Amino acid sequence: EAQVTQNPRYLITVTGKKLTVTCSQNMNHEYMSWYRQDPGLGLRQIYYSMNVEVTDKGDVPEGYKVSRKEKRNFPLILESPSPNQTSLYFCASSLSSLAGGSYEQYFGPGTRLTVT
Amino acid sequence: AQSVSQHNHHVILSEAASLELGCNYSYGGTVNLFWYVQYPGQHLQLLLKYFSGDPLVKGIKGFEAEFIKSKFSFNLRKPSVQWSDTAEYFCAVNGLWSNYQLIWGAGTKLIIKP
Repeated sequence: EAQVTQNPRYLITVTGKKLTVTCSQNMNHEYMSWYRQDPGLGLRQIYYSMNVEVTDKGDVPEGYKVSRKEKRNFPLILESPSPNQTSLYFCASSLSSLAGGSYEQYFGPGTRLTVT
Repeated sequence: AQSVSQHNHHVILSEAASLELGCNYSYGGTVNLFWYVQYPGQHLQLLLKYFSGDPLVKGIKGFEAEFIKSKFSFNLRKPSVQWSDTAEYFCAVNGLWSNYQLIWGAGTKLIIKP
C-alpha cells in the first residue's frame, strides 16, 4: 500500500531532550516536506527536500533540523525541544515539486508532540 | 507576505444543506490552488486542485471549486452535505512566488448535524 509513515504518533518529552521523528514513504517520491499544525494557524512548513541531499528551509525552521540521506526517509530532529514546539507535525511527499508545483502531496498520519 | 485566507473557522450545517467555504489568496501571478480535507482521525487528503484550464474543477465526494482570478478566490462548494462531510478543510496555494511550496489557510472546521 502506498503510504507515508511517521513515528512516533504521540510523544511527550521534556525541555532540552533531543528527539527525532521519523518519516518514510514507499512511493519513490522525490519531494518531501515537514509541516507543523497549530490551532488557527493552519499548516506551516518547517523544511522541505527536493531530492536526496537537497534540503531547504520553510517558513518556520528555527529549532529544527532535517536530513535526506535516502530517497524514502526524511527525519525531523529537535536538538533541544522547547514548549513552543508543542504541536502536531505532518510529513508529506509528492512525486516532484517541479512541473509547476501541481503535484498532489501525500500526508502521513501526524505526530502529536508535547514538550513540558 | 503572500497569504491565504479562509473566512470561516467554524461552520455548522444540517444534512442536505448547501455548502460554500471561502478561500482567498493575495498573490496576483500564476497560481496552483488546492483543497485538502482532514476527516476525524485520518490523514490529510486531496479533495481537488486547479492548475490550468476550466476554472470550475470537480473533486472527490461531490465537491467542486471555482477559480475566479479577478477575485483571487477559490471557493469550495457542495450542493448537499452529508454527516460524513464533517471534517476540517484546508485551502492551499503555490506558485513561482513561493518556490512552489504550499502556503496554507488556517482551515475551516465543518460540523454536519444529522
